Amino acid sequence: SQQGEEDPQALSIQEGENATMNCSYKTSINNLQWYRQNSGRGLVHLILIRSNEREKHSGRLRVTLDTSKKSSSLLITASRAADTASYFCATPAGGTSYGKLTFGQGTILTVHP
Amino acid sequence: GAVVSQHPSRVICKSGTSVKIECRSLDFQATTMFWYRQFPKKSLMLMATSNEGSKATYEQGVEKDKFLINHASLTLSTLTVTSAHPEDSSFYICSAEGTGGLETQYFGPGTRLLVL
Repeated sequence: SQQGEEDPQALSIQEGENATMNCSYKTSINNLQWYRQNSGRGLVHLILIRSNEREKHSGRLRVTLDTSKKSSSLLITASRAADTASYFCATPAGGTSYGKLTFGQGTILTVHP
Repeated sequence: GAVVSQHPSRVICKSGTSVKIECRSLDFQATTMFWYRQFPKKSLMLMATSNEGSKATYEQGVEKDKFLINHASLTLSTLTVTSAHPEDSSFYICSAEGTGGLETQYFGPGTRLLVL
């Protein structure tokens, strides 16, 4: 079954505002990743959070992970027009390969200048 | 940093023809590569796992005879869409798994296939 349900599906904000996206998953995981995708382009890895971590920061990005609720959130602070993109969470899809991922449905973020 | 390339970046073909997409790891060896498919405004769906020197492992519902995968070397995996039809039109993205305990994948830039 597809893991990684995200909400909202679409988010429209003004530059300078914060953007929060949420992701839920179904099975136990050892890590969760967030990716960004500009329209028609490949994926850019943003951040990885392990199951024993609750919060992680990278620049203007803040990711939280609540394994008891099987959910994660991505916060982008002080958003910029250049942050306009689709954002996906991804969890390991099982098996021995750590690179095999199941992606969430994604959140389309639009930041208006 | 690690770079994964895909070729071609965009291809238009006639229905019934076959199309080959290449995925290369440029500065590292990848024993395992993955192929994903993405429809417009949708998420990525894993199609198959490509292992160097062995047969690919396909996800449920993916036709192995339709989507032929070959991983002939540690830096190259190819996906061939055989007898393509308009419903095969999609964005195909590969990723390569690095060695050394990395917990991230390196994604290619994707190939947009349009079948007329």
